[in-house]
Amino acid sequence: DAKTTQPNSMESNEEEPVHLPCNHSTISGTDYIHWYRQLPSQGPEYVIHGLTSNVNNRMASLAIAEDRKSSTLILHRATLRDAAVYYCILPRGNTGNQFYFGTGTSLTVIP
Amino acid sequence: DGGITQSPKYLFRKEGQNVTLSCEQNLNHDAMYWYRQDPGQGLRLIYYSQIVNDFQKGDIAEGYSVSREKKESFPLTVTSAQKNPTAFYLCASSDLRGEGTDTQYFGPGTRLTVL
Repeated sequence: DAKTTQPNSMESNEEEPVHLPCNHSTISGTDYIHWYRQLPSQGPEYVIHGLTSNVNNRMASLAIAEDRKSSTLILHRATLRDAAVYYCILPRGNTGNQFYFGTGTSLTVIP
Repeated sequence: DGGITQSPKYLFRKEGQNVTLSCEQNLNHDAMYWYRQDPGQGLRLIYYSQIVNDFQKGDIAEGYSVSREKKESFPLTVTSAQKNPTAFYLCASSDLRGEGTDTQYFGPGTRLTVL
């Protein structure tokens, strides 16, 4: 199964953009890249997912490298409510619905 | 409101006792999942089910059991065989369109403490 690598922690100033990197050098051609985030003492919530092209939604943007070996989650203007652990996930299993959560990146937003 | 409910939020049990954690969803999802999270760690998959009356072991199934008698319910039993049961337990559900595009929706979790 393909694995992901993320920095343990990052800091950002409030209202500035945040770029959260993820390396997935063993990704296969059909693996989607998912991002979830987990606020303290809560269950994770979906942020965004993509395959090859860059993706945007109301929460964030996902930039995927041309070789797909890395991706970056972009929060355009960090707020204090964005302080969370962000997980980059490659679904596995024959139906692609099994998630492996690593330790993720803990994002601190500084007022 | 559609969503996933887990009960109770906090649970205490004595060592050697079995305990069952509840998970219910009204999203009409085919698939349901149980995860365990230890402090400072990511989530680890315990069991998952893709259809009623069928389930598969995840990465850390030892000491746990599940059932899936109804589509909306997926209870998890933590047995006395689980050596370190104190953890945060999360239930999730998803459609099963396949192809790796399914979004998982999580409940609020149950924090289990063994005394």
